Amino acid sequence: EAQVTQNPRYLITVTGKKLTVTCSQNMNHEYMSWYRQDPGLGLRQIYYSMNVEVTDKGDVPEGYKVSRKEKRNFPLILESPSPNQTSLYFCASSKQTGNYGYTFGSGTRLTVV
Amino acid sequence: GQNIDQPTEMTATEGAIVQINCTYQTSGFNGLFWYQQHAGEAPTFLSYNVLDGLEEKGRFSSFLSRSKGYSYLLLKELQMKDSASYLCAGTSGGSYIPTFGRGTSLIVHP
Repeated sequence: EAQVTQNPRYLITVTGKKLTVTCSQNMNHEYMSWYRQDPGLGLRQIYYSMNVEVTDKGDVPEGYKVSRKEKRNFPLILESPSPNQTSLYFCASSKQTGNYGYTFGSGTRLTVV
Repeated sequence: GQNIDQPTEMTATEGAIVQINCTYQTSGFNGLFWYQQHAGEAPTFLSYNVLDGLEEKGRFSSFLSRSKGYSYLLLKELQMKDSASYLCAGTSGGSYIPTFGRGTSLIVHP
């Protein structure tokens, strides 16, 4: 089944403790992206990747890192999480940018206390 | 990126028709997506419009007017399961990376 797999689905952590949210797609998509979704603010892009070893900042990149060493994986790293990073996170992929719709992962609900 | 505007919330009756509007900046515009998102779930792709006019997919249709910077999603024969948030996302410039609006929460009542 074609899908984007995110893990974990839920995570509660403490301020400053490094964490990684994994994202993997099995569709050989070139384009991958991370979004956060907060009430009243909609989906905001954190980072995106056009292909392997090509990443770029989205609208809200502060406090996050990403890497794209393989085509299928695009992990999101929070080196020192803070409470304002409490949010619902979505990974998404598409064949390319342009007129290709995204396939989204199931989401990761992160709480930083 | 784009500046997307859509209503925050709409209500409608089961069996009725509802139109969800979305406006965007025309400068450098490429195309416009619509996604559906049920509470607590991932968004799912509904449509992509790049040319003017109406595209129909079953009960859902999407319209685009490039000159007016306007799109709408039309939902016919509303069902309770259509209660969801509907996200409008526009692309512009050379990167074709979509910018999402804040979403329209549609509540369908009996």
